[in-house]
Amino acid sequence: DAKTTQPTSMDCAEGRAANLPCNHSTISGNEYVYWYRQIHSQGPQYIIHGLKNNETNEMASLIITEDRKSSTLILPHATLRDTAVYYCIVATGTASKLTFGTGTRLQVTL
Amino acid sequence: GAVVSQHPSRVICKSGTSVKIECRSLDFQATTMFWYRQFPKQSLMLMATSNEGSKATYEQGVEKDKFLINHASLTLSTLTVTSAHPEDSSFYICSARDRDRLNEKLFFGSGTQLSVL
Repeated sequence: DAKTTQPTSMDCAEGRAANLPCNHSTISGNEYVYWYRQIHSQGPQYIIHGLKNNETNEMASLIITEDRKSSTLILPHATLRDTAVYYCIVATGTASKLTFGTGTRLQVTL
Repeated sequence: GAVVSQHPSRVICKSGTSVKIECRSLDFQATTMFWYRQFPKQSLMLMATSNEGSKATYEQGVEKDKFLINHASLTLSTLTVTSAHPEDSSFYICSARDRDRLNEKLFFGSGTQLSVL
């Protein structure tokens, strides 16, 4: 599976959009971009995933560049409950496993 | 939505004892389940892939005789930490893939905090 690079930490004011970047320059054509988050002492929570097109759901939007070498997760109106570690993972759709990197620790502040 | 139930959520045991952790898919069938371990302030590390009806596949450096995995049905996988020692204290997390939705996400359990005294 392709490796990803994410900033170690980010801050965001409550109510503002949180934009979390991810680089995956070695992504293969059949690999998806998955985003999960982990709130302290809990299991990872699925957020969104995509292959080529931008995706949106009730939690977030995923913007994938045309060359697919990077993506951005957007939380449109961050709240304090969005404080968590966010993991960007690339893997095939039928991947036998997900490999977690170090993720981005997002701190949402008042 | 699909739910993966993990039990117990927290366990404290004495050194040398064995601990069993259960992972159940509640509303879907999982041909494959995955076991992760997470030390404080670190990322999740995959330990093994559990396949229903066959032997688990262990990641490099994970002792298969110490971390016994059984996946006897499409909805249950168990991880047994045998002869636990303080260095085995960690957060253990399972995940599962819906066999009818292979191109979609993995579902994760809520984790088990193991503390070995």
